[in-house]
Formats: sequence, C-alpha cells, structure tokens
Amino acid sequence: DAGVTQSPTHLIKTRGQHVTLRCSPISGHKSVSWYQQVLGQGPQFIFQYYEKEERGRGNFPDRFSARQFPNYSSELNVNALLLGDSALYLCASSLKFSNQPQHFGDGTRLSIL
Amino acid sequence: AQSVTQLDSQVPVFEEAPVELRCNYSSSVSVYLFWYVQYPNQGLQLLLKYLSGSTLVKGINGFEAEFNKSQTSFHLRKPSVHISDTAEYFCAVTPNNNNDMRFGAGTRLTVKP
Repeated sequence: DAGVTQSPTHLIKTRGQHVTLRCSPISGHKSVSWYQQVLGQGPQFIFQYYEKEERGRGNFPDRFSARQFPNYSSELNVNALLLGDSALYLCASSLKFSNQPQHFGDGTRLSIL
Repeated sequence: AQSVTQLDSQVPVFEEAPVELRCNYSSSVSVYLFWYVQYPNQGLQLLLKYLSGSTLVKGINGFEAEFNKSQTSFHLRKPSVHISDTAEYFCAVTPNNNNDMRFGAGTRLTVKP
C-alpha cells in the first residue's frame, strides 16, 4: 500500500507570494495533520483535519490555512510568504481522530527567497 | 499543553556500543509517547510507541524505550548501535484525545566506526 504522499517535493517562492502544498493520506485514513519543521528543530503542529473539519490548530498566524477534501486528501495554504516560512512541511495521517500512530510523508521543502 | 525535552542535542558513540537517548515530558492529561527517526531529506519514521500497558516498549531496528510515569521520562535505548543508526531522533507526546503531537528538538545520533 502507498504511504502518505506529498507534492511537490521542493518549491521555491519569493516573499509575498502564496503557496499550496498537497497531501494524500494512506488509504482508509481519515485524519490528516500538518507540521512545520524548521532546519535544526523538531516539527511543530499546524493543523489537524478529521472528516473534513478542522479539529486542532497550533500557534500559527492566519496566513496559514488548510482544508480536507471528501477523499480525505488535504491542502495547506500559506499567504504573504515570509523568509521565516522556509521549512520542511510534513503531512501525517492516521485512521481516526485520536488514533495512533501517525504516519508521515517525506515532506515538501519550501524555500523563500 | 504538553511539552517534550530531549536532554542531549548530540550523542556521538562508537559502533557496537550501547546508547541511551533521553526524553522527558510534561502534561496535565494522559498522553501517548513516541520515538521517531529522521534520515536526511526524509520524513519521520516511527520507531516505537507507548499507548498503554507494559512500560517497556520494543520497536524496530533493535530499539526499546521505557515509560516512567513518576519521572515523566521515556528514554530510548539500543544495546549495540550500527553505522546505519546515524540519524536524528525525535521524542514526541500527544494527548490521548487528539493528534496535537508535540516534538522535542531532536537528538543527533552519530555512530562512528
């Protein structure tokens, strides 16, 4: 079975632009979570979506938004990009809302120039 | 909210030596505990998890960890490391009622020949 897949793998943007990152969960998984991993640090929780509804939000500004589609795939959107948004963005899926463990994709490496 | 402290940012060891990576957590509610490994340019791979039951948890690649509730610790151990164990290791905690996973800052394990 395919694992969590994320696209694109790498992305370069400039300050002020907008970006959309995509995630397909493992088949049958209904929960998707997003994390930001800045170089040299541990991942930080951004959002959790379950059954197409936001079920958790980390300490990130409103420039960050996400949604989940009927097929349980998800998009993370970031507006008005800042240099500090440069990071590896990880998507994780799990069967249920609080079901563990979460399975991670390989991430999208976002670089802001 | 829960938090995680990984007590060592870097751990250098020689091949075939034992290793312990230390992790302490804090939380006001019951939690699940995890260790993940991250190889360069990859996502996170689950090593092991503690959800309930036996406090000694065995994972993949010969790793094990012990949950100590009184000391709020979840240290990772391996009796004999290999060169291929060189990677970044993350301890993580999540409440048992959602997927808001908090990660430590990571421990860089370097195994030398």
